[in-house]
Amino acid sequence: LAKTTQPISMDSYEGQEVNITCSHNNIATNDYITWYQQFPSQGPRFIIQGYKTKVTNEVASLFIPADRKSSTLSLPRVSLSDTAVYYCLVAADSNYQLIWGAGTKLIIKP
Amino acid sequence: DAGVIQSPRHEVTEMGQEVTLRCKPISGHNSLFWYRQTMMRGLELLIYFNNNVPIDDSGMPEDRFSAKMPNASFSTLKIQPSEPRDSAVYFCASSSGTVNTEAFFGQGTRLTVV
Repeated sequence: LAKTTQPISMDSYEGQEVNITCSHNNIATNDYITWYQQFPSQGPRFIIQGYKTKVTNEVASLFIPADRKSSTLSLPRVSLSDTAVYYCLVAADSNYQLIWGAGTKLIIKP
Repeated sequence: DAGVIQSPRHEVTEMGQEVTLRCKPISGHNSLFWYRQTMMRGLELLIYFNNNVPIDDSGMPEDRFSAKMPNASFSTLKIQPSEPRDSAVYFCASSSGTVNTEAFFGQGTRLTVV
């Protein structure tokens, strides 16, 4: 089973680019990597998903190296409202396994 | 659409009592997930339904927990009897595909068992 490991917490400042890396050394061929954001007293919210290389949407980029043993969520020019917990998820339709990371608490300072 | 709707938002109950949590998924979604979140254990998948059928319930802690999905628009998670260690936030989520499709989470039910 893939296990996802991510830093417990990170700090940054408004306007900076923030990169959060998740390790998933035992990722399987059919697994996809998804990132969610969670604010206090709310459920997680989808940010981005990828399988390999790079994916970009209007809020983030996701970088996945060729061996897929890690992935990096990149948040460009963060603001105070990006303060939240970010979760890495590895999942496969083939066996319905969802492996969530413990979450990275990101604090953005003014 | 109003999103995934969970009720109640908060529940305080005494040990030994039965607790029923409710979820209305987004209309048209065919997958439903029940999660439990605690500080110690993080997010744990309890059970996953697809087209109203339980696909994976390996995360259900023990026989005290049961989940049903009688139709596409309603699901329940029942704990009987409840114990203090069941105190957590329980989330319901739904998606239009399977486990790799974007899931939409409800606001959660904060359960406290005293």
